[in-house]
Amino acid sequence: DAKTTQPTSMDCAEGRAANLPCNHSTISGNEYVYWYRQIHSQGPQYIIHGLKNNETNEMASLIITEDRKSSTLILPHATLRDTAVYYCIVGNPHQGAQKLVFGQGTRLTINP
Amino acid sequence: GAVVSQHPSWVICKSGTSVKIECRSLDFQATTMFWYRQFPKQSLMLMATSNEGSKATYEQGVEKDKFLINHASLTLSTLTVTSAHPEDSSFYICSSLGVIRNTEAFFGQGTRLTVV
Repeated sequence: DAKTTQPTSMDCAEGRAANLPCNHSTISGNEYVYWYRQIHSQGPQYIIHGLKNNETNEMASLIITEDRKSSTLILPHATLRDTAVYYCIVGNPHQGAQKLVFGQGTRLTINP
Repeated sequence: GAVVSQHPSWVICKSGTSVKIECRSLDFQATTMFWYRQFPKQSLMLMATSNEGSKATYEQGVEKDKFLINHASLTLSTLTVTSAHPEDSSFYICSSLGVIRNTEAFFGQGTRLTVV
């Protein structure tokens, strides 16, 4: 079973920041938070991951709360091409080949 | 970044026939690959873990004799749907872990199977 909960859907205006929340209250100390997204009829795409510090890359920023029970993925300037289903997943990469268990994700729609 | 290539992108087959889907790691060696299935408007469901040179590990409820997995080399894993039925129509996706950091997965483009 997925260990995360996310809102089913969200809308955001083009050019604005999209903030996608994720709850992972049962996360263990050595589990990371990963974000992937899936554009319609394609395979999922890696976005970002983190353990406890906030992370930023060319795609997004990841803000993890101090107690690590929740996180927020931020797309700073959303474009129409960011419309996709976003999945928040927790896992421990140091336990060998880990399986990624997908929840239902958040369907993000970017509106012009 | 690492690339995983999946072929074919889509396939239509008749009931009772078998279909093979290939998943290749193009610029790295993948000792482990994962196979997922996704029905319309649903999330990805893990079917099995494919291990190079050994038997695949199937998730509960997935028939190993129906979904044959072969991982004979470090760059190729195949999924064969045997005796396909219309209810096997789905989007099949493979993935592999990134070898450098082993912290992110790379996914194939997916294969849309339609059984008629």
